[in-house]
Amino acid sequence: DGGITQSPKYLFRKEGQNVTLSCEQNLNHDAMYWYRQDPGQGLRLIYYSQIVNDFQKGDIAEGYSVSREKKESFPLTVTSAQKNPTAFYLCASSIVVGGNQPQHFGDGTRLSIL
Amino acid sequence: AQKITQTQPGMFVQEKEAVTLDCTYDTSDPSYGLFWYKQPSSGEMIFLIYQGSYDQQNATEGRYSLNFQKARKSANLVISASQLGDSAMYFCAMKVGGGADGLTFGKGTHLIIQP
Repeated sequence: DGGITQSPKYLFRKEGQNVTLSCEQNLNHDAMYWYRQDPGQGLRLIYYSQIVNDFQKGDIAEGYSVSREKKESFPLTVTSAQKNPTAFYLCASSIVVGGNQPQHFGDGTRLSIL
Repeated sequence: AQKITQTQPGMFVQEKEAVTLDCTYDTSDPSYGLFWYKQPSSGEMIFLIYQGSYDQQNATEGRYSLNFQKARKSANLVISASQLGDSAMYFCAMKVGGGADGLTFGKGTHLIIQP
C-alpha cells in the first residue's frame, strides 16, 4: 500500500549527539514536510521541501537540518544545537498542483533525551 | 501571519449525540484552505475534511461536515451520531495560498465519547 514510513518509532539522544529521523514516501508526492508536536500542543512546521534539492525553513528550524536528494526521502537531523529536542516528530507529504491538497502523515517518531 | 484558535481544550459527549468542535482562523490572504485532522492516542494524523475559501458549499464527508462561516472566520467541525471510536484529539489547520507551504495548526480539542 502507498504511504509514508517514519523510522525509528522511538529514538533516544545523548547530550551533544546528532540524530537523524527517517521519512520515506511512495505516494509520488512532490512536497514533504517535518512537524514537531509537544505535549498538549498542535504541530509546528520545522522544514518543508517542494522539489528535490530544494527546501525551506519553517517556523522553528533552528537546531534542525534536512536534505532532499530523492523525491521519496526527506530525512531530518536533530543537531546538538537543538537544546530541547524531546518531542513527537511527524513527517507529511502532499501533491502540489491543484490548489490546497491535504497532507498525509506518517506514524511519527518520539525522540527523548537520555 | 496566520493563526488558528481552538477554544475547547476538552469535551465529553454521550455516544450517538452530535458534536461541534470550534475553530476560528485569522489571515489576510483571500485564498486559503481549512483542514481538520484526527489524532488517536497512537499518534498518527488522519485527514478528515477540507474547505476552500472560495467554496460555496459547506464540505461534507460521511459523518463529518464543516460549518464554514467566512464572515465570522470560523470553520467548525460537526460530527453526527458520535461513536466510541471518535474519541481522539482533533486539530483544525490552515494553509494560505496555493503553493507547498506548510499547515498552521491550532492546539486541538480532546474529544471523549462516553457510552
